[in-house]
Amino acid sequence: LAKTTQPISMDSYEGQEVNITCSHNNIATNDYITWYQQFPSQGPRFIIQGYKTKVTNEVASLFIPADRKSSTLSLPRVSLSDTAVYYCLVGVSAGNMLTFGGGTRLMVKP
Amino acid sequence: GAVVSQHPSRVICKSGTSVKIECRSLDFQATTMFWYRQFPKQSLMLMATSNEGSKATYEQGVEKDKFLINHASLTLSTLTVTSAHPEDSSFYICSARDRGGAFDEQYFGPGTRLTVT
Repeated sequence: LAKTTQPISMDSYEGQEVNITCSHNNIATNDYITWYQQFPSQGPRFIIQGYKTKVTNEVASLFIPADRKSSTLSLPRVSLSDTAVYYCLVGVSAGNMLTFGGGTRLMVKP
Repeated sequence: GAVVSQHPSRVICKSGTSVKIECRSLDFQATTMFWYRQFPKQSLMLMATSNEGSKATYEQGVEKDKFLINHASLTLSTLTVTSAHPEDSSFYICSARDRGGAFDEQYFGPGTRLTVT
């Protein structure tokens, strides 16, 4: 299983763009990258998933370089409600991504 | 996305008693469900994989006789914490695997806060 490494915590201010990078040096050819968001006392919520290059949805963008050994979750113009823990997972499918790393605790300040 | 519910959302029980937590997939059939445990300020740790109609598969270090899992239908899995002790106090999260669509997805429940006094 590909192990992921993320910064433990990040601080930002409202309205700023936040980029959280995840390292997954031993990602396999068939592996996808999925990001989840978790608020206190809630289950994780799917944010975005990608395989290569760039993926964008209504809440975030995911940038994956050609070597796929890392990925960057980009949150545009964060608000206080984006304060949460963000997890990066790697696996052949979301249904098979069961190993959560430490996650990144994002604190958005006013 | 698909919805997974858990009941109860929080429970307080006395040491030595047993408590059952239900996990339901509301709008899809889940042949596989997963149970996680999360301690304060820590990440989710997979406890076991629950397969409909068969025995659960437990992760290393998780006592199968203490954490009883039953997956009797395609939409319901239950986790029973037997003879609970204060160290079992934690946030228990289930997820359900949906292979019925175009992608193999995992949807998480809202979690159950267990406090053992």
